[in-house]
Amino acid sequence: DGGITQSPKYLFRKEGQNVTLSCEQNLNHDAMYWYRQDPGQGLRLIYYSQIVNDFQKGDIAEGYSVSREKKESFPLTVTSAQKNPTAFYLCASATSGGHTDTQYFGPGTRLTVL
Amino acid sequence: GQQVMQIPQYQHVQEGEDFTTYCNSSTTLSNIQWYKQRPGGHPVFLIQLVKSGEVKKQKRLTFQFGEAKKNSSLHITATQTTDVGTYFCITGGGNKLTFGTGTQLKVEL
Repeated sequence: DGGITQSPKYLFRKEGQNVTLSCEQNLNHDAMYWYRQDPGQGLRLIYYSQIVNDFQKGDIAEGYSVSREKKESFPLTVTSAQKNPTAFYLCASATSGGHTDTQYFGPGTRLTVL
Repeated sequence: GQQVMQIPQYQHVQEGEDFTTYCNSSTTLSNIQWYKQRPGGHPVFLIQLVKSGEVKKQKRLTFQFGEAKKNSSLHITATQTTDVGTYFCITGGGNKLTFGTGTQLKVEL
């Protein structure tokens, strides 16, 4: 059963804590992405990785960190430096990241900071 | 960077009415992809347009790419309650993606 999975579905965090969101894909895709979605707004790119051990900052990378040690996995850490972390986080993957690639999205993680 | 304006932001229709959303750019686009996101769900790919003047159909959905490749539209004929959700466009690739802000469609019986 191929696809892209994210966990957990819901996450609650206290202020000042770091949390890590999981993203795994078994589609053999090279490119992976992290997006943030706020109510009534479009997607905003946090980080992008086109290949293992390489990643690039997106438009809103401050307060976030990622790693890409394996092709299948692209975890996102929301650090305490992120001033307004409550949002819906979406992970996506694509074959190679080219401009005609289709993005496959995971089910998302809703992060709430208490 | 590239900017894409998507209109309208919201649309309420009666079931059976048509619906159209537009993505417009001041610059030529290499491609445009359309996605649908159901309330509480994640985006799902619908279609990709690459060629100037391209028109593609999926059942009640018609997708167009303008002759100048600066705008695109998604038209739904005779909406149904299953069409409820947010429709948005994406253009570009890699870390040079540009997103439309989405059109939220509500369908009333």
